[in-house]
Amino acid sequence: ETGVTQSPTHLIKTRGQQVTLRCSSQSGHNTVSWYQQALGQGPQFIFQYYREEENGRGNFPPRFSGLQFPNYSSELNVNALELDDSALYLCASSSGAGAYEQYFGPGTRLTVT
Amino acid sequence: GEDVEQSLFLSVREGDSSVINCTYTDSSSTYLYWYKQEPGAGLQLLTYIFSNMDMKQDQRLTVLLNKKDKHLSLRIADTQTGDSAIYFCASKWTGNEKLTFGTGTRLTIIP
Repeated sequence: ETGVTQSPTHLIKTRGQQVTLRCSSQSGHNTVSWYQQALGQGPQFIFQYYREEENGRGNFPPRFSGLQFPNYSSELNVNALELDDSALYLCASSSGAGAYEQYFGPGTRLTVT
Repeated sequence: GEDVEQSLFLSVREGDSSVINCTYTDSSSTYLYWYKQEPGAGLQLLTYIFSNMDMKQDQRLTVLLNKKDKHLSLRIADTQTGDSAIYFCASKWTGNEKLTFGTGTRLTIIP
């Protein structure tokens, strides 16, 4: 059974640029949730996708957007990057809209300069 | 809104038991979780408990839930150097898709 994978591992971008992060969910899972973890903080919920539809969103501006594909993999897109977007971005996969057991990938470390 | 609080640091001697505590504010929390994060890594789901349970044991891990005080604890028996990590408490309620995390407790093992 393959676990949750994310790419890339690390990324450096300049303020104002756009970035796309990718996540492959665990085999058998149809739900992907994205979280932002700033240094020294707990993860903060960005949004969740269930069967290719957004199924909930946290307090993040519209420049954070996402997609889920028919194979349940997912992308997180961030436009107009700001310095405060520097963080570890984690995706978690789970089964069903309830998302009771969320299994996390290793994360993508984004640095905005 | 909901809030989850944890103490920031805990140091324990190798072989002793570690007890990591967490309080949460939302009484409608249905599920309460413990995750482990090692340096540079993602979060590993250790265990979780339903709000209708008081205790759950899984090998060296024991979770205690006091619903009245909204207090959750994780006890790690016979703490080893490999247990060094940041431990996050998280809550979730039925019908809401997100996990709400605390700021994490950094567990340091003293040889």
